[in-house]
Amino acid sequence: GAVVSQHPSRVICKSGTSVKIECRSLDFQATTMFWYRQFPKKSLMLMATSNEGSKATYEQGVEKDKFLINHASLTLSTLTVTSAHPEDSSFYICSARDQGADNSPLHFGNGTRLTVT
Amino acid sequence: GENVEQHPSTLSVQEGDSAVIKCTYSDSASNYFPWYKQELGKRPQLIIDIRSNVGEKKDQRIAVTLNKTAKHFSLHITETQPEDSAVYFCAAKKGPGYSSASKIIFGSGTRLSIRP
Repeated sequence: GAVVSQHPSRVICKSGTSVKIECRSLDFQATTMFWYRQFPKKSLMLMATSNEGSKATYEQGVEKDKFLINHASLTLSTLTVTSAHPEDSSFYICSARDQGADNSPLHFGNGTRLTVT
Repeated sequence: GENVEQHPSTLSVQEGDSAVIKCTYSDSASNYFPWYKQELGKRPQLIIDIRSNVGEKKDQRIAVTLNKTAKHFSLHITETQPEDSAVYFCAAKKGPGYSSASKIIFGSGTRLSIRP
């Protein structure tokens, strides 16, 4: 089945630094990938839609300059949390669908737990 | 945009009994409704999905029903087992398959606990 790999699984960084999270589709191509944020015991909040070869589409209230998304190939999207603050601490999870399969479901990466100190 | 509401937020049932989780959506153009199960510290896993041209779908102990007119859909788990304990999310999607418009919006989640 389709596999989405996300790295790192955990990261601790200091306030003011930037953190890059990678999301890869391992055995399929994904023109579009989605980045979600999940607070403890809360739902998955869609942050942005990553589009291969073009700008990401951000949801209302999500700062595009804060959360930089790059989708340089059909198998890789990256999310960079810039100038991180403690309130950015959260669980970030990416997802993608196999564009080559009709009506394929959304597959999730394992997520990245970010802690900003 | 789409808004998905999910109830209840927590649900505790006796092992062997049935569990029902309900969701409503706001956008009548939504056409795909997946359900995900998330165990603690793990990624959400798709357990069942239904498309707008179908009213009901069943997979062993799990079934999903869809009422397009009322814009609500439900997850039914029968003969619950301890391993069913997890957080369940409903979701809704609109738009053609892989366009950037076809994003999936999740409900707030239901924490299901199965009492032995």
